[in-house]
Amino acid sequence: GEDVEQSLFLSVREGDSSVINCTYTDSSSTYLYWYKQEPGAGLQLLTYIFSNMDMKQDQRLTVLLNKKDKHLSLRIADTQTGDSAIYFCAEKGTGGFKTIFGAGTRLFVKA
Amino acid sequence: EAQVTQNPRYLITVTGKKLTVTCSQNMNHEYMSWYRQDPGLGLRQIYYSMNVEVTDKGDVPEGYKVSRKEKRNFPLILESPSPNQTSLYFCATTEGPTGELFFGEGSRLTVL
Repeated sequence: GEDVEQSLFLSVREGDSSVINCTYTDSSSTYLYWYKQEPGAGLQLLTYIFSNMDMKQDQRLTVLLNKKDKHLSLRIADTQTGDSAIYFCAEKGTGGFKTIFGAGTRLFVKA
Repeated sequence: EAQVTQNPRYLITVTGKKLTVTCSQNMNHEYMSWYRQDPGLGLRQIYYSMNVEVTDKGDVPEGYKVSRKEKRNFPLILESPSPNQTSLYFCATTEGPTGELFFGEGSRLTVL
């Protein structure tokens, strides 16, 4: 079945760039997402990319999609302590609204 | 303001005592779903509903029931909770081509 994998932890220094990586198995994915979960809160959509795109940039966020390798990455430039959270990679296939999530990457930002 | 509201936010209960976690949305979305979040496993879908009176199993439906009698509400029912259902539960809704999910704030359930 479909699967999404990502590393569980990432630690960076404030001001550095963070890169969170994700791989997925569903070649029919139409949309790929990055959700952010802050402590004690639900998930919120951070950004998404349509499967026919290679890159999407939104202020400090850059999403790269390598469809051939089924690899998605999220780069956060100038990482701040407020970026400390869990980041979930997710994908949606062509059938319906089902979204498959990775296990989440906990980002620690050291001051 | 678009909202997905879950209650209760926190609950400690004992094995076998039936409980219901409510979920309500004000976005008039047809699709609603329940997820559980466990460390190292991410979010796994329990049940989903495409519309009123239309529900279907997700990936981990054992031990859960749902109902969808009204468009805005999608309660999650644990008829006889067991300790392995201790988890953080999220209700979510979506509509539209991008499939963006709108989540509630979560319900942390502990079954002793």
